[in-house]
Amino acid sequence: GEDVEQSLFLSVREGDSSVINCTYTDSSSTYLYWYKQEPGAGLQLLTYIFSNMDMKQDQRLTVLLNKKDKHLSLRIADTQTGDSAIYFCAESSGGGADGLTFGKGTHLIIQP
Amino acid sequence: DAGVTQSPTHLIKTRGQHVTLRCSPISGHKSVSWYQQVLGQGPQFIFQYYEKEERGRGNFPDRFSARQFPNYSSELNVNALLLGDSALYLCASSLEGNYGYTFGSGTRLTVV
Repeated sequence: GEDVEQSLFLSVREGDSSVINCTYTDSSSTYLYWYKQEPGAGLQLLTYIFSNMDMKQDQRLTVLLNKKDKHLSLRIADTQTGDSAIYFCAESSGGGADGLTFGKGTHLIIQP
Repeated sequence: DAGVTQSPTHLIKTRGQHVTLRCSPISGHKSVSWYQQVLGQGPQFIFQYYEKEERGRGNFPDRFSARQFPNYSSELNVNALLLGDSALYLCASSLEGNYGYTFGSGTRLTVV
């Protein structure tokens, strides 16, 4: 089946930029998403990008999409302690009927 | 505005029992999807409903069923519970089920 891969952990210093990477295999992916999950909570939609876009910026968040390499990244500028969470990459295709396919999530650890 | 609401928030059931989980989508959203998230993993797609009809189904056994009501709320039913059904069950709503999914906080189901 289709797959989404992410690194399990990323450690950054407070104030630095965080870059979380994701690769996917489904060449028919239409939308790609980044979700944030804090301990014991549901998923918070951070941003999503349509597959015909290369980049999307929203305040401290920048999403880059390399469709040729099937690589998606999320950059968080000026990382704060409140950014500590698990970040999930997800993709959807086929009009959404197959639901979202998620990666296993990247634990973002903030060092003081 | 209320987001996606799920009930109950926590539930403990015994093996072999039946459970019903409920979800109310964001006002105006016509599509509801269900996901299962076991500890340490990304969410797995179970069902998507749009305008009261099943639009998509993930790789889950027939013990799992769902329905969507005229007011677009939804129920997920699981029969003959197994220990492995212990998970966080997440509901997501979207306008038409093809992008922009907003998740609820989930129902934590523990099967003992």
